[in-house]
Order: sequence, then C-alpha cells, then structure tokens
Amino acid sequence: DAGVIQSPRHEVTEMGQEVTLRCKPISGHDYLFWYRQTMMRGLELLIYFNNNVPIDDSGMPEDRFSAKMPNASFSTLKIQPSEPRDSAVYFCASSMTGTGVRYEQYFGPGTRLTVT
Amino acid sequence: EDQVTQSPEALRLQEGESSSLNCSYTVSGLRGLFWYRQDPGKGPEFLFTLYSAGEEKEKERLKATLTKKESFLHITAPKPEDSATYLCAVFAGFQKLVFGTGTRLLVSP
Repeated sequence: DAGVIQSPRHEVTEMGQEVTLRCKPISGHDYLFWYRQTMMRGLELLIYFNNNVPIDDSGMPEDRFSAKMPNASFSTLKIQPSEPRDSAVYFCASSMTGTGVRYEQYFGPGTRLTVT
Repeated sequence: EDQVTQSPEALRLQEGESSSLNCSYTVSGLRGLFWYRQDPGKGPEFLFTLYSAGEEKEKERLKATLTKKESFLHITAPKPEDSATYLCAVFAGFQKLVFGTGTRLLVSP
C-alpha cells in the first residue's frame, strides 16, 4: 500500500489567502484524522471522520478552519483567511477498525505551511 | 483532562549506551498506549501498542513496557540510526489519541 498521501508537501502563502491541504487515506481505512504539529504545542488533533462523517471537530481552532471528506479516499482541510499563527506542520492520519485491528493510526508525511 | 508527559525532553547517548525514555499519563480509563518514532521532516511512524499493565513489546533494540501510571521505552545498545523523536500517546476512547511532546534522542557514533 502507498500509505497516507498528503499534498502539497510545502505551502507558503501570504496572510489573508485561502489554503487547502489534501489527504488520501490508506485504502480500506474508515477513520481519518487531521493533526497540527508545532514546537510549542506538539501534535494536536483538529478533527476526525468516521466513514466520511465528521465525528469530533472540537480541536478546530476557530471558524477559519474547515474540513471535508466527500468520499472514502479524499479529504481536505481549508484555512480561510490564513494567519501567520497558522504556520505549522499539518498531518493526516488514518486507521481501521475491525476484528484483530485496534486503533493504530498511520500518518502521512505532512504539509509544512508557512504564512507570511 | 487526559494528559501525557514525556521525559527527558532530549537525550544524547553514545552508541551502545543503553537508556530509557519515560511516558507518564493521566487518563480516565486507558484503552491503549502508543509509541511512535518521528524522523525530521516526516510523519510519526507507528512502533508499539500496549493495552494493559504488565504488557511488554519488543522490536529490534526497542522494548516498551507499561504500568498503571507510566510507560518506558528501553533502548538497548542504540545505534546512530535510532536517532529520532519518540512520541507517546494514550488512547482514551472514541478513536482519539492524546500525544506527549516527545523525547528527542541523539545517538552519537
């Protein structure tokens, strides 16, 4: 399997611009997670989906952030408008539930976002 | 509130010098504890899952153990390629993981 795929790998944008991050989970996985990693706060869960449905978005910092999962193989995280404090590495992860499989999450390579 | 604290923040070892990393946690109803390895510029890589106190898992030079309050990642005779940040996370239900801030390990030849 190709693993979790994220694009772009790097994104540099100016304050106020819209940013869209993309993720393709591992085929067959029914959970998808969006995380943000910074030096100060470490890895923080932003939102997660089960079978394409958002389950918990309590980690989304504010209304400028939104996430969608239109089908089982694609999700987006959008920031509009972007601010310098959004600069971080954003990770997508996926996991699978089922007999004999419990909770391990597999991460993508991340998108490094810089907002100037 | 579920919390994970890792220590030390950073650790420098000589090749072959064994040591342990600590992960202490407070969670209501632990359903699993995870160890990940993260290399610079990459996503966390899954290493181990531990589910109950007394459980141990091993992989090459790494051994993870779990008690009711903490977990240890023992590194035996480390090599430079073991240099990475090691992350601990607890699974507290509803598929959510709470991560610690990690231990940065540097193994010098």
